Amino acid sequence: EVHAVESGGVLVQPGGSLRLSCSKSGFSFSDSSMNWVRQTPGKGLEWLAHISSSSSAIYYADSVKGRFIISRDNAKISLYLQMDSLRDEDTALYYCARGRDQAFDNWGQGTLVTVSS
Amino acid sequence: DIQMTQFPPTLSASVGDRVTITCRASQNTNDWLAWYQQKPGKAPKLLIYKASSLDRGVPSRFSGGVSGTEFTLTIRSLQPDDSATYFCQHYDNYAWTFGQGTKVDIK
Repeated sequence: EVHAVESGGVLVQPGGSLRLSCSKSGFSFSDSSMNWVRQTPGKGLEWLAHISSSSSAIYYADSVKGRFIISRDNAKISLYLQMDSLRDEDTALYYCARGRDQAFDNWGQGTLVTVSS
Repeated sequence: DIQMTQFPPTLSASVGDRVTITCRASQNTNDWLAWYQQKPGKAPKLLIYKASSLDRGVPSRFSGGVSGTEFTLTIRSLQPDDSATYFCQHYDNYAWTFGQGTKVDIK
């Protein structure tokens, strides 16, 4: 399994696993819902997962349901995305972003994930 | 599921022009609609939320509107710094969906 903080790039083999981390400051992390969004040249922007401030509500896009798990640790001011059974089509730039008024602000700088053998 | 169709995919306009980008919903929906600006190599930046609310620090030349199933982003007087790709994003029933994007070039 590979770990990546939201910066730089990561190469993973198809079928492999990867855990993304995101640590955001500048707002009250523990009071904020958080999301993962990815972007590819072909499919544009795609929302992947949402987690409420207390982790009581979690939602996933159909494209990643059952393969990706979003979680957070408010004490560490950190958001995570566990990505399993990775496919070529998961190759993308992955962003974390705060949820506000059903929109996204405070975006991270993004992590490039490449799934390739 | 509600589909959002954004158009035009590209547009070229002159400094000072009024520019409008549209996102059309496939059916009547709520007004949880946001607009973002993205420049090359950068993350998207929130401009408008809840269809017409300007986010903090966003210039007042940007505005959002809605008429029926069509949501619009208008730039009142295009500036050189507005060269970017713009995306709409809609929320409904625990799912967030982005439009396809509009690339705005300055002539």
